[in-house]
Amino acid sequence: NAGVTQTPKFQVLKTGQSMTLQCAQDMNHNSMYWYRQDPGMGLRLIYYSASEGTTDKGEVPNGYNVSRLNKREFSLRLESAAPSQTSVYFCASSEAGDKVSYEQYFGPGTRLTVT
Amino acid sequence: AQRVTQPEKLLSVFKGAPVELKCNYSYSGSPELFWYVQYSRQRLQLLLRHISRESIKGFTADLNKGETSFHLKKPFAQEEDSAMYYCALFRRGSTLGRLYFGRGTQLTVWP
Repeated sequence: NAGVTQTPKFQVLKTGQSMTLQCAQDMNHNSMYWYRQDPGMGLRLIYYSASEGTTDKGEVPNGYNVSRLNKREFSLRLESAAPSQTSVYFCASSEAGDKVSYEQYFGPGTRLTVT
Repeated sequence: AQRVTQPEKLLSVFKGAPVELKCNYSYSGSPELFWYVQYSRQRLQLLLRHISRESIKGFTADLNKGETSFHLKKPFAQEEDSAMYYCALFRRGSTLGRLYFGRGTQLTVWP
């Protein structure tokens, strides 16, 4: 099992460009998440998806959109990149849980630089 | 509102010394707490959770509801413990619970 995979690993964008970060998991998990990791800020939740067909905003959703394409895939789109979106982006998945926390499995991350 | 505070951004100890990474939380419900670790150039992974009360890689963490803390401890640090450590709190939801992460503590263990 590959676990959680993300593409690309690195990306440099110019301000205003758009791009989509891809995430896939092969663990048959219902829930998927997108985080950004910034120095001194920890991990902040951008969007999450409790199950196929549903998405919800996290703490920092502005400037992003997501698509839960199917149970395996959860993509994050930047429509018009800004330098403030320079960050490392992590995708994660877990069993669905509203009352109990299941372990979240993380992807390797995408390092995005916006110039 | 829930909040997770890790007061130390950086922590350095020498190999063999005890280490304690601090985590304090605020949450009105019954807390469920975790420690995640990220080794250099690797993905985040779960280190331990308070409900399992287990010791992983020599680390333990006790939930202290009176002090609202969940500090991570190891009696004898090793160089391979050098990593970024995140404390996280699980908040139950109507459709999906969420993890709230602290800002992380970068631990360096010197030889």
